[in-house]
Amino acid sequence: NAGVTQTPKFRVLKTGQSMTLLCAQDMNHEYMYWYRQDPGMGLRLIHYSVGEGTTAKGEVPDGYNVSRLKKQNFLLGLESAAPSQTSVYFCASSSGTVSNQPQHFGDGTRLSIL
Amino acid sequence: GENVEQHPSTLSVQEGDSAVIKCTYSDSASNYFPWYKQELGKGPQLIIDIRSNVGEKKDQRIAVTLNKTAKHFSLHITETQPEDSAVYFCAAIFQGGGADGLTFGKGTHLIIQP
Repeated sequence: NAGVTQTPKFRVLKTGQSMTLLCAQDMNHEYMYWYRQDPGMGLRLIHYSVGEGTTAKGEVPDGYNVSRLKKQNFLLGLESAAPSQTSVYFCASSSGTVSNQPQHFGDGTRLSIL
Repeated sequence: GENVEQHPSTLSVQEGDSAVIKCTYSDSASNYFPWYKQELGKGPQLIIDIRSNVGEKKDQRIAVTLNKTAKHFSLHITETQPEDSAVYFCAAIFQGGGADGLTFGKGTHLIIQP
């Protein structure tokens, strides 16, 4: 029972490079989320999806794009990486809204932008 | 929007003693308050939650209390054990919030001294 799997676990990029973070869940959840976690800042929502083919902006969406082409996958893209995007990125999924169903988190992707 | 303040940022207690972490929220319409535990190198995991129609909820050594009038809620851990060492996050959701309605505190690093 894998739950939520994030790929890769670590990555170092140079400023201006692009990359995609992959999140996969095997729980048939409708809702998926991308958060970033910075020291002393807690978790902040970047983008989320309430179902296949849908995406929406969260609290800090600038500089990121997302896609949900398949129900089980939620991709987070950085088109032109900036040092301010150095962070730990967490993906989560849930079977319903946050007030009704708990979010299940992956173990994170640690991203450094040089 | 919702604002969640969490205190203290670091808490050190002797093994066997109790630990209390406090959070305050700004939106009086908030109605759901989960607590997450994050171990080193892992994603956050839901450990307990409480809804606004309840004043207290217990699960073995963990309890959460809610004071709606004062707009604060607390996590209580009794008979602390080494495995309780982790970062704990509180969160709140405002009424009517959909998938993006969860706001996290900045976290408390709980250290259990042997």
